[in-house]
Amino acid sequence: DQQVKQNSPSLSVQEGRISILNCDYTNSMFDYFLWYKKYPAEGPTFLISISSIKDKNEDGRFTVFLNKSAKHLSLHIVPSQPGDSAVYFCAASAGGTSYGKLTFGQGTILTVHP
Amino acid sequence: NAGVTQTPKFQVLKTGQSMTLQCAQDMNHNSMYWYRQDPGMGLRLIYYSASEGTTDKGEVPNGYNVSRLNKREFSLRLESAAPSQTSVYFCASRGTLNYEQYFGPGTRLTVT
Repeated sequence: DQQVKQNSPSLSVQEGRISILNCDYTNSMFDYFLWYKKYPAEGPTFLISISSIKDKNEDGRFTVFLNKSAKHLSLHIVPSQPGDSAVYFCAASAGGTSYGKLTFGQGTILTVHP
Repeated sequence: NAGVTQTPKFQVLKTGQSMTLQCAQDMNHNSMYWYRQDPGMGLRLIYYSASEGTTDKGEVPNGYNVSRLNKREFSLRLESAAPSQTSVYFCASRGTLNYEQYFGPGTRLTVT
């Protein structure tokens, strides 16, 4: 049972345009959501997060939107740059006594073309 | 300040062999985690340690054991490797105040 799903295995975008990566979840106990970026042969690096008490969080070119009723979150990258080409994972935590455990989606490969 | 370090970077084992993957963090974090990453599956939690002296199973613990040696170090042991354990293994740690986990560079393990 995949509790966090990224239904698009890949996304291709032109440099300067917007990249939108999507993520859906099924567990109503999730209350904190994170996006990670991963380059080949490296570990994932934290990008941006959002608590369930918010519906939007911005950090420079990166914005995460949360729609709790739809159990859906998205990551917007504006403008996209070739260096953004990587695998993006969304992750969710149930807080409370979950000890910070994260449940990850399958990942989306983003390619930004010059 | 190295963050999270993992050794070895690569390893090839024959079926039935054993090995220990090492992980250390220098951020004084309480919680540490072991994940495996397989194509199309994202990262799946194998074991975690919420604090020094405690360990618990994650989503895919079968075939693995762990030891939280001290606050810095958290090792993952494969007692009898199987081809299904061919994967990339990541260790991560987390501080107390937030949910962000910091990952090591990974160990690529192949079991033939």
